[in-house]
Amino acid sequence: QKEVEQNSGPLSVPEGAIASLNCTYSDRVSQSFFWYRQYSGKSPELIMSIYSNGDKEDGRFTAQLNKASQYVSLLIRDSQPSDSATYLCAGYSGYSTLTFGKGTMLLVSP
Amino acid sequence: DAGVTQSPTHLIKTRGQQVTLRCSPISGHKSVSWYQQVLGQGPQFIFQYYEKEERGRGNFPDRFSARQFPNYSSELNVNALLLGDSALYLCASSSDTNNEQFFGPGTRLTVL
Repeated sequence: QKEVEQNSGPLSVPEGAIASLNCTYSDRVSQSFFWYRQYSGKSPELIMSIYSNGDKEDGRFTAQLNKASQYVSLLIRDSQPSDSATYLCAGYSGYSTLTFGKGTMLLVSP
Repeated sequence: DAGVTQSPTHLIKTRGQQVTLRCSPISGHKSVSWYQQVLGQGPQFIFQYYEKEERGRGNFPDRFSARQFPNYSSELNVNALLLGDSALYLCASSSDTNNEQFFGPGTRLTVL
């Protein structure tokens, strides 16, 4: 099993819908997780961090962590075309190594 | 406040050459990490430095090296470039208070 796994997509949703992005992780990855957004040709931008079991909300974004299932998700409410990007899930494997999934491409159609 | 800065933005080299990439962290951040990102993949960890000491190293050959300076800026060096080294090289900095990493704009390296 890869340390951090994501479905590469693309995930297509209509404008205004809820986009649900998912990530699973192995035992080698710690319990600190991060979601980054990366537009084509740009660098990753941190949008959410989650450290404990449960939900964390920030504006239109909600991150969910389920340690028992080793599962992290990102919900984007009221999706906008400007949300179209690749979303990267990351967690620490080891003290300093931030390990990324391959990313899920999200396409929001007007 | 200024974010993480990297230079140069783009770089074209030929096989066998050497390259040096530079990074300045966010003011107050003492930790700098380097990543390589190839098309269609997530960033892959190369090094992390903290207070001028190497704190972690990813699965990269010895052709890759790095260092951190007293002002916390950092350089990544790659020797004997291969075609496969063509990628986006990302630098990220983090503070002592949490382990969130913030990325710079990256350096796009093309090896011909």
